[in-house]
Amino acid sequence: GAVVSQHPSWVICKSGTSVKIECRSLDFQATTMFWYRQFPKQSLMLMATSNEGSKATYEQGVEKDKFLINHASLTLSTLTVTSAHPEDSSFYICSAKISGAGGELFFGEGSRLTVL
Amino acid sequence: DAKTTQPPSMDCAEGRAANLPCNHSTISGNEYVYWYRQIHSQGPQYIIHGLKNNETNEMASLIITEDRKSSTLILPHATLRDTAVYYCIAGLNTDKLIFGTGTRLQVFP
Repeated sequence: GAVVSQHPSWVICKSGTSVKIECRSLDFQATTMFWYRQFPKQSLMLMATSNEGSKATYEQGVEKDKFLINHASLTLSTLTVTSAHPEDSSFYICSAKISGAGGELFFGEGSRLTVL
Repeated sequence: DAKTTQPPSMDCAEGRAANLPCNHSTISGNEYVYWYRQIHSQGPQYIIHGLKNNETNEMASLIITEDRKSSTLILPHATLRDTAVYYCIAGLNTDKLIFGTGTRLQVFP
């Protein structure tokens, strides 16, 4: 099946710093990518929808200035957690939808962020 | 998107069939039923999806009731590696999939 890769798979940072997480579709083009957040023992929560070449659409309650999303190409979307705080520690997961008919969706392996 | 209800946890013996139920009584006529699973600390993995007819692939079978208000995911011969949280999601397409709490399946030797 199609592969979606996230980098880094885990990151530890100090409070107040910014962290960028990349999501790449390795063998297909993805017009649309999605970013999820998952706290321990909870389900995935959709944060935003990222469309190539346009601004991301954020879900209610997600701060767009806090979680910057850029989708500059058909194979790459980035999520930047700005001025990270310990409460931002979470498992961040992206998914990418194959462009065109069918639109199968594939998930990345996730990126675990720990803010000290 | 229709809300789904799943049991929080289930156990299954290795080698036996695992039958995971899902209720989606408010599903609309054009909403699909999707199944994903998440192994600990990994991203979700697509399993199968269907609209009205039963579906089968190399991973599992999906049985959808005639009234479409419920479905069952069947793993025919569960292995230890099938231990995961299984999510049943109803939606028009794969845009903005809304994950519920899922069923934690534990396969034991």
